[in-house]
Amino acid sequence: DTGVSQDPRHKITKRGQNVTFRCDPISEHNRLYWYRQTLGQGPEFLTYFQNEAQLEKSRLLSDRFSAERPKGSFSTLEIQRTEQGDSAMYLCASSFATPNTGELFFGEGSRLTVL
Amino acid sequence: AQSVTQPDIHITVSEGASLELRCNYSYGATPYLFWYVQSPGQGLQLLLKYFSGDTLVQGIKGFEAEFKRSQSSFNLRKPSVHWSDAAEYFCAVAANYGQNFVFGPGTRLSVLP
Repeated sequence: DTGVSQDPRHKITKRGQNVTFRCDPISEHNRLYWYRQTLGQGPEFLTYFQNEAQLEKSRLLSDRFSAERPKGSFSTLEIQRTEQGDSAMYLCASSFATPNTGELFFGEGSRLTVL
Repeated sequence: AQSVTQPDIHITVSEGASLELRCNYSYGATPYLFWYVQSPGQGLQLLLKYFSGDTLVQGIKGFEAEFKRSQSSFNLRKPSVHWSDAAEYFCAVAANYGQNFVFGPGTRLSVLP
């Protein structure tokens, strides 16, 4: 199966520590998205890349958050100086830019717990 | 900016009964509309989508949805629910083709045997 994979699946950290999540999209997809999902809510858009270019960032993405996709393949999402409010599921999705079917393919997510 | 509401937080139906999950959106132009399903421990999976044309769209697993512009709705239906349909269902709207999806808060479906 060559779906979207995310690592780690679960991360527990102490407040103030830095964490990094990795996403490997479906290999043929050139768009990659990061979403955040808290309990009882739908996914909230954070940012997306087309190839290596970061084309849009949400206001939710504070200065403590940074995302990269250096070679247009895998992506990392780093959270610096974590806060308890950062506890959430971080979802990665990928899609085709062309042809654009409008379908996002999601990974299983990386759950962050900040103590 | 677009937004989505799903009025029902939790719905319980008996296996074999019909199902309708409500979705209302807010967007000034023609929206691109989607329904995704999230089963426990799994990623979100696309059930169906509407871009244009026939307002009744068919999806996977026997689901269908109807776009009603006058009501700003995109309700999901299934004539006979199976126990395996128990999951969280999310309606989403995109302003641009495939960009910046906005998801609703979700409806959790429980199925009684």
